[in-house]
Amino acid sequence: SQQGEEDPQALSIQEGENATMNCSYKTSINNLQWYRQNSGRGLVHLILIRSNEREKHSGRLRVTLDTSKKSSSLLITASRAADTASYFCATRGSSNTGKLIFGQGTTLQVKP
Amino acid sequence: DAGVIQSPRHEVTEMGQEVTLRCKPISGHDYLFWYRQTMMRGLELLIYFNNNVPIDDSGMPEDRFSAKMPNASFSTLKIQPSEPRDSAVYFCASSFRASDTDTQYFGPGTRLTVL
Repeated sequence: SQQGEEDPQALSIQEGENATMNCSYKTSINNLQWYRQNSGRGLVHLILIRSNEREKHSGRLRVTLDTSKKSSSLLITASRAADTASYFCATRGSSNTGKLIFGQGTTLQVKP
Repeated sequence: DAGVIQSPRHEVTEMGQEVTLRCKPISGHDYLFWYRQTMMRGLELLIYFNNNVPIDDSGMPEDRFSAKMPNASFSTLKIQPSEPRDSAVYFCASSFRASDTDTQYFGPGTRLTVL
């Protein structure tokens, strides 16, 4: 079964607004990653946060991780039309296999 | 680097035909993954290889699906015979290692339509 579940499934905002997406998972993890998928394309890695980290920043992206609640959030600040895409969280289990388990994704639409 | 290369990009076939999808991972990457993406089921891991050896094929839906990696630079995913429910986008991805910080690099995908 899928490890991660994103919330909301779909989000529509105006350009310039912030977008927040949430991810919940079920088992212990080594790290959690966020990926973006533009329509008709493959997934692209955005940011990784380790299980011993609580917050991480990369440009306009801010990721938080709460291992006690088994949840993470991705915040995109000052959104742009080019941010329109689907966003997926992915977890790597503590057994450190090569596998990533992806959530169902949040579809973000940023209106110009 | 050209990234992960997949071919064909689009495939339309009739039920019962054999379909072969191809993938060239990024040079030097030890791990190769095959995923299937549909609206209903999302992104599913089908199988992955480490150093050309299949490690976990628990996601392969049934015996009609098979995957091979004859060398470090080439992998195939075969469906024989194909069925309409196999229609999906199939992604190949590769990564350098399975260490704590390794990420996966995805190809552009093959959109398969089985009529």
